[in-house]
Amino acid sequence: GIQVEQSPPDLILQEGANSTLRCNFSDSVNNLQWFHQNPWGQLINLFYIPSGTKQNGRLSATTVATERYSLLYISSSQTTDSGVYFCAVPYSSASKIIFGSGTRLSIRP
Amino acid sequence: DAGVTQSPTHLIKTRGQQVTLRCSPISGHKSVSWYQQVLGQGPQFIFQYYEKEERGRGNFPDRFSARQFPNYSSELNVNALLLGDSALYLCASSIQGETGYTFGSGTRLTVV
Repeated sequence: GIQVEQSPPDLILQEGANSTLRCNFSDSVNNLQWFHQNPWGQLINLFYIPSGTKQNGRLSATTVATERYSLLYISSSQTTDSGVYFCAVPYSSASKIIFGSGTRLSIRP
Repeated sequence: DAGVTQSPTHLIKTRGQQVTLRCSPISGHKSVSWYQQVLGQGPQFIFQYYEKEERGRGNFPDRFSARQFPNYSSELNVNALLLGDSALYLCASSIQGETGYTFGSGTRLTVV
């Protein structure tokens, strides 16, 4: 089946720093989602981004489908950005999505 | 507009018992999926239902079952609970099951 790998696994930054999170996938996909899981467990949609670049405030994402990777950029980090960031891609006729192992981001004040 | 709602939010059960978790999708969404997330890992796919039909099943034992009702809400049942079933159970809805998914806040199940 399709493999989804995220890097780095852990990232500790000071408030105000910028960060780049990477998601590699082993097979062609027709969509990709980025999620933020907050400390209470809620998975929050960030981007639905099959290809190209999207921006939402301090966050932006780029997916290069032909090279099988996606990047999530967080600028001017805030403590509320802390949590685990997951990318997820469809598998098996899109009846399910496969999650990467996540990047745990900790923003220190 | 209400998001995906799950109930209960927390649950403690004893080994061997049975549990039923509930999910109401976003209005207009006809697909509901269930995921299990154990501590420190990403969510793992359990089931997907679309228009009340099972469309996909993950690698989980037959103790896990689910159904979808005419109003598109869904229940996940787990029989003969094991300690290893302790996890956050997440429900996701989408319009047709092949587009962006929206997740509920989850049910945290603890088996003692």
